[in-house]
Amino acid sequence: RKEVEQDPGPFNVPEGATVAFNCTYSNSASQSFFWYRQDCRKEPKLLMSVYSSGNEDGRFTAQLNRASQYISLLIRDSKLSDSATYLCVVIAGNNRKLIWGLGTSLAVNP
Amino acid sequence: NAGVTQTPKFRVLKTGQSMTLLCAQDMNHEYMYWYRQDPGMGLRLIHYSVGEGTTAKGEVPDGYNVSRLKKQNFLLGLESAAPSQTSVYFCASSYSGLPSGSLLYFGPGTRLTVT
Repeated sequence: RKEVEQDPGPFNVPEGATVAFNCTYSNSASQSFFWYRQDCRKEPKLLMSVYSSGNEDGRFTAQLNRASQYISLLIRDSKLSDSATYLCVVIAGNNRKLIWGLGTSLAVNP
Repeated sequence: NAGVTQTPKFRVLKTGQSMTLLCAQDMNHEYMYWYRQDPGMGLRLIHYSVGEGTTAKGEVPDGYNVSRLKKQNFLLGLESAAPSQTSVYFCASSYSGLPSGSLLYFGPGTRLTVT
């Protein structure tokens, strides 16, 4: 099993839709979790950290489920500009290694 | 602030040629990293530096060397390029080290093709 797994998609949704994707991780000792956004042929940029109690930033909500070992990202009222690849990042293990998922591709259509 | 910049943006090399990728940051960050990103493989850490004059190996260091002579610059060298090194290379920097993934700032990337 990969250390961090994401559904590659693509998720095709209309503008205004709500979409959610998950990221599963294998190391139960994982400590920190993040979502990055990467536009086509651009560099990754931090979208948000994921806190144990869940957190919200505008239309974006991130949640952590330690029991089932996954994090989720919910996007409400999707905009065309949300079209991108969303990368899950997990910091795991005693060596505090950063592990990147392969990303989930989102296309928001007019 | 320019943030993190990378030179060059694109390059095509023949097998066996050498080149150096330059990364510069103007945020006074202590930590700098070189990643490569390949389809189906995700981002993989090549080398990193925890401060001026220091370097350390990441997950995939073979075939690469690095130097951090100045705090603001982190150079990635390919001594004898191979087709397997065709990739997109991203430099990143952070104020503090791992595990603070939230503090990673990436450069725009260098697209390298080795023929």
